[in-house]
Amino acid sequence: GAGVSQSPSNKVTEKGKDVELRCDPISGHTALYWYRQSLGQGLEFLIYFQGNSAPDKSGLPSDRFSAERTGGSVSTLTIQRTQQEDSAVYLCASSSKGIASGANVLTFGAGSRLTVL
Amino acid sequence: RKEVEQDPGPFNVPEGATVAFNCTYSNSASQSFFWYRQDCRKEPKLLMSVYSSGNEDGRFTAQLNRASQYISLLIRDSKLSDSATYLCVVNNRAAGNKLTFGGGTRVLVKP
Repeated sequence: GAGVSQSPSNKVTEKGKDVELRCDPISGHTALYWYRQSLGQGLEFLIYFQGNSAPDKSGLPSDRFSAERTGGSVSTLTIQRTQQEDSAVYLCASSSKGIASGANVLTFGAGSRLTVL
Repeated sequence: RKEVEQDPGPFNVPEGATVAFNCTYSNSASQSFFWYRQDCRKEPKLLMSVYSSGNEDGRFTAQLNRASQYISLLIRDSKLSDSATYLCVVNNRAAGNKLTFGGGTRVLVKP
């Protein structure tokens, strides 16, 4: 597709359940980011994938959070044993890399809104 | 010290007025700078890239001051529709070109 696609757009789950959030980046974009945003707050960096390099996981808040990116394209963010404080909008963004015009410009998906009851 | 810092605001701006705000960054090796705009309950979208020589896009002007390590955004003739949170973004070459966001500056344009 032309943009970054995220699914599901909304997810309501019970505390303790596992959830998977999916991100389909723009074709050819080598960089992919996951962010979390709670209501009224700024973007919280979670994880960064760049090509075949080891991902930067420095923003993952706990070991309940993990992410993978298969084949350099689609990414899945998994939250195990969800807690109420995990409730937020999870945003995915992708960009191309390099010095050409338009490189490093992030395009965001519409986000996945997670509510943990 | 945070890698990218912004005044959270809000900046309350009368319609038609000019508003300007800065974003400071700590990594002197940063090369790419951007301003993004985020409307309430929406995803961020690119407003403009920031070039070394400064650049203008309509009513928006962005400047880069490498010596003092900050970028600025100026909005002239503010419109009600300019009300949003403005996020600055800086790259970190040493971290695989990772892009880092500031916390955002909230701007409210009022009639």
